Amino acid sequence: DIQMTQSPASLSASLEEIVTITCQASQDIGNWLAWYQQKPGKSPQLLIYGATSLADGVPSRFSGSRSGTQYSLKISRLQVEDIGIYYCLQAYSAPNTFGAGTKLELK
Amino acid sequence: QIQLVQSGPELKKPGESLKISCKASGYTFTDYAMQWVKQAPGKGLQYMGWINTQTGKPTYADDFKERFVFSLETSASTAYLQINNLKNEDTATYFCARGYYGSHWGQGVMVTVSS
Repeated sequence: DIQMTQSPASLSASLEEIVTITCQASQDIGNWLAWYQQKPGKSPQLLIYGATSLADGVPSRFSGSRSGTQYSLKISRLQVEDIGIYYCLQAYSAPNTFGAGTKLELK
Repeated sequence: QIQLVQSGPELKKPGESLKISCKASGYTFTDYAMQWVKQAPGKGLQYMGWINTQTGKPTYADDFKERFVFSLETSASTAYLQINNLKNEDTATYFCARGYYGSHWGQGVMVTVSS
């Protein structure tokens, strides 16, 4: 199975700060990567798919990028409503696999 | 609008079985696969597998090949997750999600297994 190593495990940032979360794939997955945000007690919400495409209704301060087998989610100006846990998912090869998650908190 | 509505919470004893439903609306059910995801209390997301809504063929992740069954009732735009011989470690919230990337998710079903 493809392993997704997500970092950091937790992150504390200030409002308006730039935040970056990364996922390293254990092998080539092309652009078959998605990012999700999950708030406490809620279902995950799709933010980015195809590594770089913004899902419908997601604010433009979220963006995704790829460098080889490393994938990044960037929040350009952190807002209060961005607090939550973020996960990556590789959808290249069954079984799909999630990263372990990054807990984003306000400093 | 697109919705996935899941059945209600479950409290079961070890060894029992359960069947969770995920009813889709707002789109053509057979146009998108349905995925299933487990989230144990306080833990991350665990991919369980998916079912091809056109053919009914399920694909299971390794940890879910033994006691778990994905099925469909296409006429009712509904996907099901059955868990047999429940164990304490099956205590979790189970989500269905539409499509390969999970563009839409159900609200989750909290399953508690306890004697």
